[in-house]
Amino acid sequence: DIQMTQSPSSLSASVGDRVTITCRASQSMTRYLNWYQQKPGKAPQLLIYLVSTLQSGVPSRFSGSGSGTEFTLTISSLQPEDFATYYCQQSDSTPPTFGPGTKVDI
Amino acid sequence: QVQLQESGPGLVKPSETLSLTCTVSGDAINNYYWSWIRQPPGRGLEWIGYVFYSGSAHYNPSLKSRVSISVDTSRSQFSLKLSSVTAADTAVYFCARRPPSGSFDFWGQGTLVTVSS
Repeated sequence: DIQMTQSPSSLSASVGDRVTITCRASQSMTRYLNWYQQKPGKAPQLLIYLVSTLQSGVPSRFSGSGSGTEFTLTISSLQPEDFATYYCQQSDSTPPTFGPGTKVDI
Repeated sequence: QVQLQESGPGLVKPSETLSLTCTVSGDAINNYYWSWIRQPPGRGLEWIGYVFYSGSAHYNPSLKSRVSISVDTSRSQFSLKLSSVTAADTAVYFCARRPPSGSFDFWGQGTLVTVSS
């Protein structure tokens, strides 16, 4: 299985901040890396797929990049509704696996 | 708009079989893979498996001996069975659609299943 790690595990930020979350894979991957946002009591919501493609309806302040074993989710200007937990997920090989999550709070 | 809705018992006794159904609306089930994912309280996400409309299924090796996922295209439903459950199987269970990118783009709201006597 490909193991996914994320850093940091949590961060405190303010509205308007630029936020970067890093996801690392235990082995080199192609482009099958996805990002999700989850709020308490809700299902995860797909933000970005295939490293950098924005899911329909997702604000452009979210962006993704990376290659190989290191990938990044960036929120260019944090908004109040962005306080949530973020997960990366690889679909490069079966079983698909998720990172442990990064909690973004105030 | 694609919608998924999980249904099934919220309480299952240890050693019994957990059974859940996901009903799909707004999209033909005869496309994509359809998935089950779970999340223990306060923890991360674990992929359980997915099924294609043909019935072909793939499972997480960590659960493979206990899990079965099937599809009923006539009802636009797919189902999960997890046998010999223990307290470690207590989780919110989500159903989700898997497009070719391998992501999960539409999710049900999730249903909490508690394993307890």
